[in-house]
Amino acid sequence: GNSVTQMEGPVTLSEEAFLTINCTYTATGYPSLFWYVQYPGEGLQLLLKATKADDKGSNKGFEATYRKETTSFHLEKGSVQVSDSAVYFCALSDKVDNFNKFYFGSGTKLNVKP
Amino acid sequence: EAGVTQFPSHSVIEKGQTVTLRCDPISGHDNLYWYRRVMGKEIKFLLHFVKESKQDESGMPNNRFLAERTGGTYSTLKVQPAELEDSGVYFCASSQDLRTEAFFGQGTRLTVV
Repeated sequence: GNSVTQMEGPVTLSEEAFLTINCTYTATGYPSLFWYVQYPGEGLQLLLKATKADDKGSNKGFEATYRKETTSFHLEKGSVQVSDSAVYFCALSDKVDNFNKFYFGSGTKLNVKP
Repeated sequence: EAGVTQFPSHSVIEKGQTVTLRCDPISGHDNLYWYRRVMGKEIKFLLHFVKESKQDESGMPNNRFLAERTGGTYSTLKVQPAELEDSGVYFCASSQDLRTEAFFGQGTRLTVV
């Protein structure tokens, strides 16, 4: 079946530190991969996505590369800011089934300290 | 343009009571999805409406949960009777069609005591 595993948090970093949040997946088909972010008091927002192997999604300084050989989609940012403090969810969807039927990971809370 | 709106933002009820959550999708979005996150775990798919029809309800946990979307506009999710394990955050999302981006609401935090 389809599932996503991401590193447990919380992750606490100082401002300007490098961020990596690991995400691996299991899929029956050829999925699209996503990172969603939930800022305090807000809903889920799409951060970035990749739809095929070796694609790199990027947004707001965050990047993730679709690695089919390692079934991974790790989120990275070179220099985090306090405003990046949020919960980050890795997700996949099976394009054949339903593009918006997501399988999410358990979320990783990021705390960035000034 | 208004985003996806969910009511209430937070609900605290006693075990055995009934609660109804509401979701107003973005205007013109035929597709509406319900998800929930229980006990800080992964967010899980509950069901998918296309207009007023249930396209996929494979994620509904049991028959205590009833989702409706009369008229194909807003949707309600009723839990009757509520159990302790139903506590969590219930998210709603909508999309214009199956292959365009879905936008999520802020969620309803349900606490069953």
